Amino acid sequence: LAKTTQPISMDSYEGQEVNITCSHNNIATNDYITWYQQFPSQGPRFIIQGYKTKVTNEVASLFIPADRKSSTLSLPRVSLSDTAVYYCLVGAPWGYQKVTFGIGTKLQVIP
Amino acid sequence: DTEVTQTPKHLVMGMTNKKSLKCEQHMGHRAMYWYKQKAKKPPELMFVYSYEKLSINESVPSRFSPECPNSSLLNLHLHALQPEDSALYLCASSQDGRDSNYEQYFGPGTRLTVT
Repeated sequence: LAKTTQPISMDSYEGQEVNITCSHNNIATNDYITWYQQFPSQGPRFIIQGYKTKVTNEVASLFIPADRKSSTLSLPRVSLSDTAVYYCLVGAPWGYQKVTFGIGTKLQVIP
Repeated sequence: DTEVTQTPKHLVMGMTNKKSLKCEQHMGHRAMYWYKQKAKKPPELMFVYSYEKLSINESVPSRFSPECPNSSLLNLHLHALQPEDSALYLCASSQDGRDSNYEQYFGPGTRLTVT
């Protein structure tokens, strides 16, 4: 399983764009990159998944360079409700998933 | 319905008790998972069931006993737990097949306290 490295914490003001980078130097050819969000005392929630280049959905964008050794989750115009822990995971997208959550990034949005 | 439900929400048990955690999903997912999460730590995978068969046991102590009675239900039977087993226990489910839109759906968890 590819190991991931993320910043432990980040602060941002409301309305700013937030970029959280994840390093995954030993990502395998078949691996996808997936991000989850977790609020205190709740289960993680899927945000976005990608394989290469750029993926965008209604809540975030995911940027993956050509070498795929890192990825960046971009949250546009964050609000206080985006304060949460964000986890980057790497693994094959099919079959049951033996996933390993990294330490995650605690994002604190400041008014 | 994209919900995973877990009962109970909170559980306090003594070290000699036997209790069970329950998880249910009706999304037709054939992979189901148990995770343990300690405070300020990431979730740690405990067990994975695929098509109602145990596929992964992450060297979990035998005082935790999983059971998958059918494709919608997942139980975790608890016996002779230790105080250090106190944690948030999360259940999740996902597709199990060649599907590139992989996503695990998590329940809200059961907050377990062992006294």
